Amino acid sequence: DTGVSQDPRHKITKRGQNVTFRCDPISEHNRLYWYRQTLGQGPEFLTYFQNEAQLEKSRLLSDRFSAERPKGSFSTLEIQRTEQGDSAMYLCASSLDRRHYGYTFGSGTRLTVV
Amino acid sequence: GQQVMQIPQYQHVQEGEDFTTYCNSSTTLSNIQWYKQRPGGHPVFLIQLVKSGEVKKQKRLTFQFGEAKKNSSLHITATQTTDVGTYFCAGETETSGSRLTFGEGTQLTVNP
Repeated sequence: DTGVSQDPRHKITKRGQNVTFRCDPISEHNRLYWYRQTLGQGPEFLTYFQNEAQLEKSRLLSDRFSAERPKGSFSTLEIQRTEQGDSAMYLCASSLDRRHYGYTFGSGTRLTVV
Repeated sequence: GQQVMQIPQYQHVQEGEDFTTYCNSSTTLSNIQWYKQRPGGHPVFLIQLVKSGEVKKQKRLTFQFGEAKKNSSLHITATQTTDVGTYFCAGETETSGSRLTFGEGTQLTVNP
């Protein structure tokens, strides 16, 4: 197991286009999280899955954002009608289904909206 | 909503000097975690503190959780160039589910 994988590493898109990112968590981790990080800031929570169920979604997440985790394995994060303010690093993390357990983050997908 | 604040935002030290970063939460935490992010990298889990007043050590790193479980600190003794990066604290509350709220981080630079 090589850890949490994210694809692509970089994405440049024109404003108004849709983009989709993929995350493959550590296989035995059934919790999966999406965070967003902008330069000089800490990661900001977007959404959280336990197995295939999306249990929590940030109020900051507009209707343009949607995430799925079919079959409780990999997850996708889609952003529709991208805006320049969506430019950020999108980080995926996974953890065991146990409270007080640290996250393992992927290397992230850097999105640039031009 | 819950807020987690860290100070200082930046710290520049000479190699061999000590370094401390402080973390304060607006609400009582069930646990606090610390992460390190190297330049161009992703956050890497360092440690978790759960008990009031808990102190944990990892080689030159000492982590403390306050008695009221609203603050924490990370102290590095005799910094090395490999310590360069941004250190984040992140807290959970009893009502936050599994959501971690991250501080803004302290960016550490070590001059050789």
